[in-house]
Amino acid sequence: DQQVKQNSPSLSVQEGRISILNCDYTNSMFDYFLWYKKYPAEGPTFLISISSIKDKNEDGRFTVFLNKSAKHLSLHIVPSQPGDSAVYFCAASSGAGSYQLTFGKGTKLSVIP
Amino acid sequence: DVKVTQSSRYLVKRTGEKVFLECVQDMDHENMFWYRQDPGLGLRLIYFSYDVKMKEKGDIPEGYSVSREKKERFSLILESASTNQTSMYLCASNINTDTQYFGPGTRLTVL
Repeated sequence: DQQVKQNSPSLSVQEGRISILNCDYTNSMFDYFLWYKKYPAEGPTFLISISSIKDKNEDGRFTVFLNKSAKHLSLHIVPSQPGDSAVYFCAASSGAGSYQLTFGKGTKLSVIP
Repeated sequence: DVKVTQSSRYLVKRTGEKVFLECVQDMDHENMFWYRQDPGLGLRLIYFSYDVKMKEKGDIPEGYSVSREKKERFSLILESASTNQTSMYLCASNINTDTQYFGPGTRLTVL
């Protein structure tokens, strides 16, 4: 049973436009959400996170939105750059000191120059 | 800056061999994790450890074991490698936070 779902395996966006990556979750116990970025042959790097007490968190070109009632979060990248081309993983934690993450299957973003 | 290192970037082994994958972190993190990443399947947790000599099974522990003799080092062991264990293996660590820091990964090919 997949608790964190990224339903779009891939996404193509023109350079300079907005990229929107989506993530849905089913476990109501999740209270902290993270986005990781991964280039081929490298480990994932932490990008941005959001606590369930917030509905938006922004860091430069990256903004994460959380809709708790819909169990949905999204990552917005504005403006998109060719260097943003990578696989993006959504992850969730139920806290309570477990520090374990449940990952989605990832979305491959291609930013076209 | 957190640094997580893995002993090999690329590894080729034969079916039936015993394989050791090493992971070292330099930030005194208590928690360490081993994942495998396969196309279309995302990151799947194999084993994790909250402290020295402690280990917990993740979602896919079959065919694997782990060892944590020192706080900074977490080893993943494939007792008898099989072709379906060909994958990218990723180690991560954290301490009292949900944010995990990953190593560069080991691309293992089992022939």
